[in-house]
Amino acid sequence: EADIYQTPRYLVIGTGKKITLECSQTMGHDKMYWYQQDPGMELHLIHYSYGVNSTEKGDLSSESTVSRIRTEHFPLTLESARPSHTSQYLCASKGQGTYEQYFGPGTRLTVT
Amino acid sequence: SQQGEEDPQALSIQEGENATMNCSYKTSINNLQWYRQNSGRGLVHLILIRSNEREKHSGRLRVTLDTSKKSSSLLITASRAADTASYFCATGRMDSSYKLIFGSGTRLLVRP
Repeated sequence: EADIYQTPRYLVIGTGKKITLECSQTMGHDKMYWYQQDPGMELHLIHYSYGVNSTEKGDLSSESTVSRIRTEHFPLTLESARPSHTSQYLCASKGQGTYEQYFGPGTRLTVT
Repeated sequence: SQQGEEDPQALSIQEGENATMNCSYKTSINNLQWYRQNSGRGLVHLILIRSNEREKHSGRLRVTLDTSKKSSSLLITASRAADTASYFCATGRMDSSYKLIFGSGTRLLVRP
């Protein structure tokens, strides 16, 4: 198992609430990623970071925002959750000199 | 799919049989990786093949890459019930190998 953690694992929340999904890694990786995955479907990159104070939007447009104040921490925030945000959110990281990404266990978000 | 298709979408085999999954992609790549995802969990990296390689082995896994056809295959030999999972190919692009584009996945069921 990789040393990358996500909390909460499951979240059911009402429309309009603000939520933050946490992602932390203890491997000292400089690159971190957020993916969105609907059940049984492919992963879509929504945000990535190449290091502290560096964040970029991914290939899939998302209303969420991210921050990277510390190397090990890459939280994702939704200011106002909607049912269309219901999905699984996967965090990943990658070290220097390698291509493979290490994934956290994911957060399954349901917005009612 | 944003990158390509995986074929078949679902595969059911008996324990001990071999499982073959195929992946096609659209753009020029730097590397191609295969990941496994158990139900409701994060992804686990299995194997990476670089664009200048044609075949790679790791334990019961064999990966081939044909850049002229923009395709790859993953062979799992002597399958076990524990191999039941979804398998995704992911390509690292030539212009930005830090980001991966995932295929649509193959759901493998190995019957005991």
